[in-house]
Amino acid sequence: NAGVTQTPKFRILKIGQSMTLQCTQDMNHNYMYWYRQDPGMGLKLIYYSVGAGITDKGEVPNGYNVSRSTTEDFPLRLELAAPSQTSVYFCASSRRDRVTSNIQYFGAGTRLSVL
Amino acid sequence: TQLLEQSPQFLSIQEGENLTVYCNSSSVFSSLQWYRQEPGEGPVLLVTVVTGGEVKKLKRLTFQFGDARKDSSLHITAAQPGDTGLYLCAGAWSGGSNYKLTFGKGTLLTVNP
Repeated sequence: NAGVTQTPKFRILKIGQSMTLQCTQDMNHNYMYWYRQDPGMGLKLIYYSVGAGITDKGEVPNGYNVSRSTTEDFPLRLELAAPSQTSVYFCASSRRDRVTSNIQYFGAGTRLSVL
Repeated sequence: TQLLEQSPQFLSIQEGENLTVYCNSSSVFSSLQWYRQEPGEGPVLLVTVVTGGEVKKLKRLTFQFGDARKDSSLHITAAQPGDTGLYLCAGAWSGGSNYKLTFGKGTLLTVNP
């Protein structure tokens, strides 16, 4: 099983450039998430989606945009890259299980540097 | 903003030693999860606890959920080099959305041979 797949694995951007981080899952999960992870700071939620066509802001949404046109895909867009967006980005997906706990499955991450 | 405090932030021990990692908050969780993350990979779920006072065991790892559902601990017995990694706790807040998790900053564990 592929699970959650993120591309690219690594990317270097110049300040002001744009890019899209791709995320796809093959588990038919309704919920999908984007996090960023900075050293010593844990995971911060950027955006999330509870289903196709529905997205909402997380804790740190500024400078990012998302869309969810299908259940499988949840791309993250950086419009004007800034050095503060240098981070490791993780996509995750989940479904509600019978004990109402949210088990999240993560991709391997995209390591982004903005120079 | 609800916060999850993890301690210690760093832990370096010798193979065979025991250790405990803590996750604390002033708010009540509806459920709490522990994840382990290895270098270059995404976090992977170890356990979910949902009932106050609950204890779960996963081989040499013991997870405990506080009676008031505000805190949790992870105890590793006879640590091995393969236990090395970043341990993250994550909580879904009681009264909040179960599909959103708040993560602690993590405990970076190094087990030396």
